[in-house]
Amino acid sequence: AQKITQTQPGMFVQEKEAVTLDCTYDTSDPSYGLFWYKQPSSGEMIFLIYQGSYDQQNATEGRYSLNFQKARKSANLVISASQLGDSAMYFCAMRPIYNDMRFGAGTRLTVKP
Amino acid sequence: EADIYQTPRYLVIGTGKKITLECSQTMGHDKMYWYQQDPGMELHLIHYSYGVNSTEKGDLSSESTVSRIRTEHFPLTLESARPSHTSQYLCASSAGQGAEAFFGQGTRLTVV
Repeated sequence: AQKITQTQPGMFVQEKEAVTLDCTYDTSDPSYGLFWYKQPSSGEMIFLIYQGSYDQQNATEGRYSLNFQKARKSANLVISASQLGDSAMYFCAMRPIYNDMRFGAGTRLTVKP
Repeated sequence: EADIYQTPRYLVIGTGKKITLECSQTMGHDKMYWYQQDPGMELHLIHYSYGVNSTEKGDLSSESTVSRIRTEHFPLTLESARPSHTSQYLCASSAGQGAEAFFGQGTRLTVV
């Protein structure tokens, strides 16, 4: 079964600074997708970014980028120029091609003014 | 804007009652999921479905059942609610492998 590990229960970052949220995963499937979601205190799940296992380039979406290192099985999220509104829980998720979607335990990010 | 809806948004119910949490999506997605999440904690997969008449158990499925008779509808039933079921329940759907999952607003369940 696949496993997703987020080792940082909480992170702090100064406003306008960049921050990296760690995610490692384990799967035996050769084809899979990696996702990051943001969950503010309101509870909704907001999709941020996607990386396919065969994608050659690291995914980017505005201030979000995914540092994908396939050999190390890591998919870290980088948020540039942090804003106060970035304070939230962040979840890494993986979905192999023939399997369900699983999430990591999450990282609570707090942006300090 | 995602077209996936959960009802009710909030529910308080007594121990031993049978309840069904509704989830509907209008995007024609084949894959649908149910997750249980305590506030600020990780999401635990309860059940998932790859399409009509297909359902699979996740990690926390032993006390609930699901059905998938129509593509757009994926209800979750707790046969006998217990205080340990107090949590938020999130429904999601997705298209192909490379597509993100869209989440409903969730149902916050309290069992007293």
